[in-house]
Amino acid sequence: KAGVTQTPRYLIKTRGQQVTLSCSPISGHRSVSWYQQTPGQGLQFLFEYFSETQRNKGNFPGRFSGRQFSNSRSEMNVSTLELGDSALYLCASSQVARGNEQFFGPGTRLTVL
Amino acid sequence: GENVEQHPSTLSVQEGDSAVIKCTYSDSASNYFPWYKQELGKRPQLIIDIRSNVGEKKDQRIAVTLNKTAKHFSLHITETQPEDSAVYFCAASIGGKAAGNKLTFGGGTRVLVKP
Repeated sequence: KAGVTQTPRYLIKTRGQQVTLSCSPISGHRSVSWYQQTPGQGLQFLFEYFSETQRNKGNFPGRFSGRQFSNSRSEMNVSTLELGDSALYLCASSQVARGNEQFFGPGTRLTVL
Repeated sequence: GENVEQHPSTLSVQEGDSAVIKCTYSDSASNYFPWYKQELGKRPQLIIDIRSNVGEKKDQRIAVTLNKTAKHFSLHITETQPEDSAVYFCAASIGGKAAGNKLTFGGGTRVLVKP
């Protein structure tokens, strides 16, 4: 099976802009979670989507949002970008029937100037 | 919420020696504990996991132990090889279909295996 894919792989934006990142899970996986990875804060959970519904949410401001489509693909959006949003954004997919095993995509490297 | 602490932050070992990384968690409801390996510029890769109904799990040169009473779990790598050099992350999750898949990660351990 193909692994988790994310697009784009790299993005450069300026402060105040907005950005949309995309994640395609492993075929058959219905849960998609998003994480932010930075050198200072490590890996932090953003939110999880399952069957097009947000099931969990981390402690991030409302500028961070997401959605999931009927084919399980997910997008996350960050509005009004700040310099501190520069990070590697990782998504992970899970086959619910197998419990919590999560498999990560390669990430999108976002740089905010 | 859950808090996971991981030690040490860096670990240097000689090839062939063992490496041990320790994590503690705060939420007694957590019942799923995966370990991820992340090489430079790569995605985190699930290398082993353990659930709270098991005390130890092995997979070739890696093993994980869990002490639910003390709320800590450890990763053991034996006969280390240069390709084991990477950053390792522990994580904890309450788990189960209802609770979802939120993983709380430790801060990571940078492991360097010297040839």
